[in-house]
Amino acid sequence: NAGVTQTPKFRILKIGQSMTLQCTQDMNHNYMYWYRQDPGMGLKLIYYSVGAGITDKGEVPNGYNVSRSTTEDFPLRLELAAPSQTSVYFCASSYERANQPQHFGDGTRLSIL
Amino acid sequence: AQKITQTQPGMFVQEKEAVTLDCTYDTSDQSYGLFWYKQPSSGEMIFLIYQGSYDEQNATEGRYSLNFQKARKSANLVISASQLGDSAMYFCAMREPNYGGSQGNLIFGKGTKLSVKP
Repeated sequence: NAGVTQTPKFRILKIGQSMTLQCTQDMNHNYMYWYRQDPGMGLKLIYYSVGAGITDKGEVPNGYNVSRSTTEDFPLRLELAAPSQTSVYFCASSYERANQPQHFGDGTRLSIL
Repeated sequence: AQKITQTQPGMFVQEKEAVTLDCTYDTSDQSYGLFWYKQPSSGEMIFLIYQGSYDEQNATEGRYSLNFQKARKSANLVISASQLGDSAMYFCAMREPNYGGSQGNLIFGKGTKLSVKP
């Protein structure tokens, strides 16, 4: 029962470095999402995808890029890491129907120093 | 404009008692969904309960129930018989309908930290 798997769980980056956060799901969900959670706050949507080859911006997309080449995978790319990107990142997936919950991965805790 | 408001940053409840976590929302749509998630200190997001705007009855899932008052735009989470393991952050979220560019994305409140006292 893997569900949504995120790697890595923790990472420290230097300012200006780049990295990719990996996300894969085995529930055959078409919808996938990336969120960030800053301390004491709720989750904010970075990017989402409604199917392979289709992605769109969420509320806070600046500094990030995504791709969706398969149903299972939805990696998030950070280019030129900045301290403001220090956060916990969550990947989620869901079915299309509005009453279906989003299933979350365990998160990636990212620090930019 | 803030769409989900959780006015209680922190709450305390005695073990075995019931507690209500408040959530109000703002939308002009008639069709929407409301979700509650639990985030324990370990960090994962756990889905608890769902309420659709057209659902005539309040949703229930075990010890969780949702006090849905549509006219007041409130969707309060009620936890009965609190347990120590209920200590966590609780997030209310709203999903707007799939049209235009929204694609039914979730909008989260800032959360309420619940502490259960033995």
